[in-house]
Amino acid sequence: DIQMTQSPSSLSASVGDRVTITCRASQSISNYLNWYQQKPGKAPNLLISTASTLQSGVPSRFSGRGSGTDFTLTITSLQPEDFATYYCQQGSSVPLSFGGGTKVEIK
Amino acid sequence: EVQLVESGGGLVQPGGSLRLSCAASGFTFNTYWMHWVRQAPGKGLVWVSRIKSDGSSTSYADSVKGRFTISRDNARNTLYLQMSSLRAEDTAVYYCTRDGGWNTYEYWGQGTLVTVSS
Repeated sequence: DIQMTQSPSSLSASVGDRVTITCRASQSISNYLNWYQQKPGKAPNLLISTASTLQSGVPSRFSGRGSGTDFTLTITSLQPEDFATYYCQQGSSVPLSFGGGTKVEIK
Repeated sequence: EVQLVESGGGLVQPGGSLRLSCAASGFTFNTYWMHWVRQAPGKGLVWVSRIKSDGSSTSYADSVKGRFTISRDNARNTLYLQMSSLRAEDTAVYYCTRDGGWNTYEYWGQGTLVTVSS
């Protein structure tokens, strides 16, 4: 089974800050890595698929990079609506798995 | 507009059974793989199960294998999750999701809460 490790588990940042979240897979998953944003009480929302493909309607301040085992999600200028929990997820093989999440809070 | 609407959640005793449904609309249901993903209160996301577009192939997380059964009725555009031998640790919001390719959860329902408690 592929384990997904996200870091940090939480962070505090200010509006306008650049934020980077890291996700590491326990074995190579090529580029089958997706990122989701979840706000309290809501379903998750797909931000980025296959490591770097920005979904329609997602602001360009979000970007994803990586392949193999190491991936990053970067928010270049944090906006008030970006305070949420972010999850990575591997789509390479069953059982599918998520990282533990990164909660982005207001400093 | 793609819509996924779950129903069937509720309070059930340990050892009991429940069937969740997910009504799909706004897309050609019988051409997409579908998944169930759950989230325990205050916890992270966990994949539960998936089913191929024609229903011919299914997969499960080890934690639910042998207890849960995923199925679909393409004529009714509906996805199901039959849950039996429920345990307290199955308490979660269950989300129905549409696969956008390579196990990407492209669209999500609003979720339905299952509480297993005596």
